[in-house]
Amino acid sequence: QVQLQESGPGLVKPSETLSLTCTVSGGSIGGYYWSWIRQPPGKGLEWIGYIYSSGTTNYNPSLKSRVSISLDKSENQFSLKLNSVTAADTAVYYCAGEWLTLFSGSYYYYMDVWGKGTTVTVSS
Amino acid sequence: SSELTQDPAVSVALGQTLRLTCQGDSLRTYYASWYQQKPGQAPVLVLYGKNNRPSGIPDRFSGSTSGNIASLTITGAQAEDEADYYCHSRDSDSTHVVFGGGTKVTVL
Repeated sequence: QVQLQESGPGLVKPSETLSLTCTVSGGSIGGYYWSWIRQPPGKGLEWIGYIYSSGTTNYNPSLKSRVSISLDKSENQFSLKLNSVTAADTAVYYCAGEWLTLFSGSYYYYMDVWGKGTTVTVSS
Repeated sequence: SSELTQDPAVSVALGQTLRLTCQGDSLRTYYASWYQQKPGQAPVLVLYGKNNRPSGIPDRFSGSTSGNIASLTITGAQAEDEADYYCHSRDSDSTHVVFGGGTKVTVL
């Protein structure tokens, strides 16, 4: 059973770069769309971006200019960098794996594996 | 890009049936998946595709789609079903992930 674990600093200064890593254990990194998702305090889920196991990336248009997601297959990890952070980037950050299935002519996307989340606070 | 719209909050009496909805143009192309999130915890997948439950999810959770509206039904709501529920899909060209704003479910 695939498990995910986020790691990285819990406190980042304004204008600096937020860096997080998600370690994949218990299974292969292949076949999944690996996403970063965040949740500001008291608010809903916001998708940040994903990297497919082939290396293809896509980002939320609202964050695209500040985001980079990379994949290290040798370490079974994928990473997030978000630069020029402000207090608005304070959130719980989750990594998740999204799977695509084609069944009876229809496409299903679903995130069946999630990390526990890590809290990142942007403050001086 | 595409949006998914959910009601902010709903309540249900213990043992009664609850239907949550998620509306968006991309749902004409892709099925929604649904996640339950309890305070301080990560979201958990409860339904995906046409009407598929992951292992361990009770059969009181079921789903359907009609046009651009996906529904999650909880038949015989239990106290432990009190949580936030989010729908998820892809936008119509499949390049971006989208989440609904979430529905807070209260079991009375």
